[in-house]
Amino acid sequence: GENVEQHPSTLSVQEGDSAVIKCTYSDSASNYFPWYKQELGKGPQLIIDIRSNVGEKKDQRIAVTLNKTAKHFSLHITETQPEDSAVYFCAASKGDYKLSFGAGTTVTVRA
Amino acid sequence: EAGVVQSPRYKIIEKKQPVAFWCNPISGHNTLYWYLQNLGQGPELLIRYENEEAVDDSQLPKDRFSAERLKGVDSTLKIQPAELGDSAVYLCASSSPSGGGTSYNEQFFGPGTRLTVL
Repeated sequence: GENVEQHPSTLSVQEGDSAVIKCTYSDSASNYFPWYKQELGKGPQLIIDIRSNVGEKKDQRIAVTLNKTAKHFSLHITETQPEDSAVYFCAASKGDYKLSFGAGTTVTVRA
Repeated sequence: EAGVVQSPRYKIIEKKQPVAFWCNPISGHNTLYWYLQNLGQGPELLIRYENEEAVDDSQLPKDRFSAERLKGVDSTLKIQPAELGDSAVYLCASSSPSGGGTSYNEQFFGPGTRLTVL
C-alpha cells in the first residue's frame, strides 16, 4: 500500500516567517495530494490540495508544490500568524476515497 | 450548515468493557468513514459506507470492532471488549457522492471521540 512520510515532526517559527513541510510518497499511481490542518480538539480540515497534473497551487498565504518524478510534495505557509499554530497532515490518494496520511507536523508560531 | 456531529466527545472505560461511538454526517452526504487516530499519527481508515452498505471494512478488526449504518444516515462504531491499545481518537468523516473512479470528493471530519481505556 501507499506509504507517506512527513518531515519535520515539529516546527517552530517566528511570527511573520515562512514554514515549509515536506512529504514523500511511495506509490507512483497516487494522483491527489491534500493537506489537512488539525487544531486541538477538532477534526482535520482540508486547507489545500493538488492533483498530479499540476506542479504548484497557491491560495493566499499557503501554497503546495508537487514533484512527481521525485514523488514528493511540500506545503509552504508565508507570513505565519499565531492562528497557523496547529498540526498539519499531508495525504496521498489514487483519486478515490482512500487517503494515506503522513504522521503530522506540529507547527508553533511564536509571537 | 451543521458539520459532522460525533458523541460522546470523551469516553473513559475499563478494559474488557464495551463502548460505542455515534456519528451523524453532513446532510446529503452518502459516504461515511470511520477513522482511528493514534496519538502523534495521522488518521487510518477503519471502514467506509456508501449509504447503508459497508463497501470497505478491510482494516476493521472484526474480532472486537463492529459498525452499522442501518438507515444510511447516522452510524455507530462499537468495540467489545475494549483493550488498552484501543485508546485513541475515533474520527468520523463524510463526503458527498463520488463522481467516478478518478474523482475525489473532500472528506469532512467530525471532532472525534477520545477514548481512554484503563
